[in-house]
Amino acid sequence: AQSVAQPEDQVNVAEGNPLTVKCTYSVSGNPYLFWYVQYPNRGLQFLLKYITGDNLVKGSYGFEAEFNKSQTSFHLKKPSALVSDSALYFCAVRDNTNAGKSTFGDGTTLTVKP
Amino acid sequence: DTEVTQTPKHLVMGMTNKKSLKCEQHMGHRAMYWYKQKAKKPPELMFVYSYEKLSINESVPSRFSPECPNSSLLNLHLHALQPEDSALYLCASSQNPTKATDTQYFGPGTRLTVL
Repeated sequence: AQSVAQPEDQVNVAEGNPLTVKCTYSVSGNPYLFWYVQYPNRGLQFLLKYITGDNLVKGSYGFEAEFNKSQTSFHLKKPSALVSDSALYFCAVRDNTNAGKSTFGDGTTLTVKP
Repeated sequence: DTEVTQTPKHLVMGMTNKKSLKCEQHMGHRAMYWYKQKAKKPPELMFVYSYEKLSINESVPSRFSPECPNSSLLNLHLHALQPEDSALYLCASSQNPTKATDTQYFGPGTRLTVL
C-alpha cells in the first residue's frame, strides 16, 4: 500500500521569501514522487518528479524538491516566492507494484502575500 | 506538445439527462485516465485505459460509462447522475501504462453540475 501526507493545509509566505511545502510518503517498493500545482478551476500541472539519482530535483517555474529517503520526505521548495505561485499543490507517489495508480496527498494551499 | 484537451469546459445536466465528456491527446500516450475532483480535494481515480483497454475501474457506479474509441480519445458517458456527482472531471494521459516513472499530464477538466 502507498500513502502520501501533506501535513499543512495552508502555507502563507511573503513575496520574495523562500517557501517550503511539505510531503512525506510511504510505499512498499521504490518511490516515484511527483509534485503538481493546480490553479483555480484548472487541471493539475506537472512541476517535477523524483525517479532516481540526485536527491535534489529541479522543475518548472523555479521550483525544486529534495528527496530524503531516511525521512521519507519530498518537500517542495522555491528560493523566492511570487504572488503568482499562490495555488493548490499536490504531492503524489507511485511505485512499481501498481504502476497505473497514483496516490495523492490532500493538497496544500499556498498563499503568497505582496 | 504536452496538451490534453477536454470538452466541454462546463456542463449542467438534470438527473435524467444523458451527456458525454470528451478528452483528447496527441502525444502518442498509451494510458488514459479519468479522475473526479471535489473542491480543494485531491483527484480520485475512476478509470484507467491501457492500450485502449479498460485496466482499472475503481468501483465506479454504472451511471458512469467510459469509452476509449482509439488511442487518442477518451469519453465518459453520463446517465442518471445524482447531485453529489457534481465535481471537476479530469482526464490525464501518460506514455506507458506499466511504467510508474511516467508523468501523468492532465487536461483542464470539465466542471459538471447535476441539478
